[in-house]
Parts: sequence; structure tokens; C-alpha cells
Amino acid sequence: EPEVTQTPSHQVTQMGQEVILRCVPISNHLYFYWYRQILGQKVEFLVSFYNNEISEKSEIFDDQFSVERPDGSNFTLKIRSTKLEDSAMYFCASSETEPYSNQPQHFGDGTRLSIL
Amino acid sequence: QKEVEQNSGPLSVPEGAIASLNCTYSDRVSQSFFWYRQYSGKSPELIMSIYSNGDKEDGRFTAQLNKASQYVSLLIRDSQPSDSATYLCAVIDSSASKIIFGSGTRLSIRP
Repeated sequence: EPEVTQTPSHQVTQMGQEVILRCVPISNHLYFYWYRQILGQKVEFLVSFYNNEISEKSEIFDDQFSVERPDGSNFTLKIRSTKLEDSAMYFCASSETEPYSNQPQHFGDGTRLSIL
Repeated sequence: QKEVEQNSGPLSVPEGAIASLNCTYSDRVSQSFFWYRQYSGKSPELIMSIYSNGDKEDGRFTAQLNKASQYVSLLIRDSQPSDSATYLCAVIDSSASKIIFGSGTRLSIRP
């Protein structure tokens, strides 16, 4: 079964450094998402992306965050200047069509980001 | 602020019994509902989706939806120790392209 893949599985970064998290969505999917989950807390929406632009973003997704689809397969999340509170699991997800069409979102295994 | 509410548990159920997980949501016009299972340290895994009022069965899982009461539930029959996980209720935000997750119910199946 096709799956969403994320790299790296664990990223350790010094506070203030830039970090890029990578995702390869399922190949025929058109909508891409990033979520995060701080340890012990709920999964929170960050951003959705379609047709090479952001469709929706949450209040968490401030100017320190950016997303990009640099080629036909990768989808990246960049955090420009990391803070301690950015430590979390970051999940990439994709769906075949827009979310309100009832298509579920399929999640990757996540990247654990640890900021020191 | 649209909310999805779940009892955090833990819910402890003996092996072989039925586990019943409940969820309420605040957005009256939501149309799409999902149950995800999340093992500790792992990603959410889709186990059920439901869009119409009533019951939807898939193997040992049954999802139930009542839009009038803004309530969705998940029944797990013949519970197995491998069902021990956190179950996340998720609702599509009808005005935006995102899922709103509940905080999850931790289920423990005791042998």
C-alpha cells in the first residue's frame, strides 16, 4: 500500500538554527499537510498546501515557518530560527482530493524534532 | 473555536469485551468524521471514516454517527491487547482544509 514517507525520523538542532523536515506524499495525492504534536498533547494542524500554494494555515504557522514543494515528489517544512517550544513530533499527511470531499488524510511516521 | 472533545481515559477493558469510545464536536455543519489509532510514539493511523448518520461496520470496528447530537463513537468488538492505544477522533473543519483532532482516549485492554 502506498504511504507517506518522512525524513529524518529524528532531528536534533540547536536553538536558533534552521531546520528542514522532508516528506514524500503519496504519488497521486494533490493535497499536503503538516501537523505537529507536542509530547502528551493533541495533534495540531499547521498548514495545508495545494497547487503550489498554501490553502490554509493555523496561528501556529507564523513567519518562522515556510513550506515548499521543490520538485514533483518532495514537500518540505522549514523552521527558520528554532525555539525550544518547537520541540515536537511533526507529521506530514496527504489526501487525494480536498478535505471536505470526504477523502481521509494519510499520515507519515513523523519526524521527532528536539531543540536544545 | 471549533472543538472536538474526548474523554482522555484511560479506559480499561478486559480482553474479548466491547470497548466503546465517544466523541462530541462543536461544528454543526461538519460532514466528515474519522477515527485514528495512535500507538505511543507513532503516527495516527486511519481505522474508520463515517459521513452519514447511523452505523458503519468494518471488521471488529463499528463507527456510529449522530449529527443531530453532534456525537460520534467507535465500538471495538472482541478487544485484543493489540488494540491498546490512544484513539483520536477527527473532524473535518467545514470552512477550511484541515482536520481538527480531539485529544484522544487512551484504551487499555487487560488480558
